[in-house]
Amino acid sequence: QSALTQPRSVSGSPGQSVTISCTGTSRDVGAYNYVSWYQQRPGKAPKVMIYDVSKRPSGVPDRFSGSKSGNTASLTISGLQAEDEADYYCCSNAGSYTWVFGGGTKLTVL
Amino acid sequence: EVQVVESGGGLVNPGGSLRLSCAASGFTFSSYDMSWVRQAPGRGLEWVSSIRSRSSYIYYADSLKGRFTISRDNAKNSLYLQMDSLRTEDTAVYYCARDGGGFDIWGLGTMVTVSS
Repeated sequence: QSALTQPRSVSGSPGQSVTISCTGTSRDVGAYNYVSWYQQRPGKAPKVMIYDVSKRPSGVPDRFSGSKSGNTASLTISGLQAEDEADYYCCSNAGSYTWVFGGGTKLTVL
Repeated sequence: EVQVVESGGGLVNPGGSLRLSCAASGFTFSSYDMSWVRQAPGRGLEWVSSIRSRSSYIYYADSLKGRFTISRDNAKNSLYLQMDSLRTEDTAVYYCARDGGGFDIWGLGTMVTVSS
């Protein structure tokens, strides 16, 4: 159960698009379509933004989208807004009902 | 309102034990798989343990080496985490989370500090 690999930080200006990658292995990201993404603001609980690779919960803006290719999943945020500044974590099923998170990515809106 | 509320955290000496609880409300608790996720100060999220809706299957992170035990009481709408042989590296906020399409419902967490 090694942590998934995410960039430590990404940044973008308002209105731009940013993509956060999440690299795993053929035993987790590459094996299952159970990748989810979480937004966490300082001092707050995480909030699911994407689940099952590309599904968006109700209430999450359609600016947020998810995809996967091989062992790498991606979260794309288009039309970046100041309120999107937060930490983002990916998570993948790693066999049976075990899970592994990524190390987290700090998104800065310039 | 759909929510989960954790309790039971606190300060404990290394080698000690603590039992965390998670009270669920606003949804049919017995229909959902549940998990514990922790976050050490200034660090990322770490999956700890999960239990299927009928307690038929239980899973733990390899790093715990049998020190933690997850359980649930569907009659009481409650999830538990028994933590034994605690180490300083177990210091973290412990979150209870529902699996309803990703981990879709999270509590505010309960802080566990392992220190002498």
